[in-house]
Amino acid sequence: GAGVSQTPSNKVTEKGKYVELRCDPISGHTALYWYRQSLGQGPEFLIYFQGTGAADDSGLPNDRFFAVRPEGSVSTLKIQRTERGDSAVYLCASSGGFDSPLHFGNGTRLTVT
Amino acid sequence: DQQVKQNSPSLSVQEGRISILNCDYTNSMFDYFLWYKKYPAEGPTFLISISSIKDKNEDGRFTVFLNKSAKHLSLHIVPSQPGDSAVYFCAASGVQGAQKLVFGQGTRLTINP
Repeated sequence: GAGVSQTPSNKVTEKGKYVELRCDPISGHTALYWYRQSLGQGPEFLIYFQGTGAADDSGLPNDRFFAVRPEGSVSTLKIQRTERGDSAVYLCASSGGFDSPLHFGNGTRLTVT
Repeated sequence: DQQVKQNSPSLSVQEGRISILNCDYTNSMFDYFLWYKKYPAEGPTFLISISSIKDKNEDGRFTVFLNKSAKHLSLHIVPSQPGDSAVYFCAASGVQGAQKLVFGQGTRLTINP
């Protein structure tokens, strides 16, 4: 079956602009996660959804970052007033159950110029 | 404050020999540990995990060892194959099944023919 799909695969934007990154999880997976991976680092947790609600958003770096999952499937990560330091690969993952490992998408590489 | 550390950025091993990747952690509340493998331009893929109630878990060519007193875990791959060349991430969480993972920085493994 299809894995986690993330679009776009690459996004270049100017400093100060608004961007949206989309994640389509594996069908039937109720848990969805966003991580961010900066160059030379491991992925860092941003936010976790269980169904439609954000169960844990403690990793969001500031209020410029926001994520939604209105129907419990597709999720969108929104970044306002982008800064050069936001440049990273944004990874989405989904999980089918409490003891199931995360399945990651290929990520969106965001470059803020 | 790096709670999960992989102190070797890279490792080179001859095909057929054993690869040993190491990981140290500082947070004694971690009790579930995972290894992920990542190819370029792809998301991390789950390899193997271990709960703190065990000291060893084996899956085919992959074995993970956990030393709780030393707060250290390692991944052994034997025999190493060219397709094992990738970046390997160690990750930890506080509760088995909780997937808010804390990742290490990664180790780039190269298998030489």
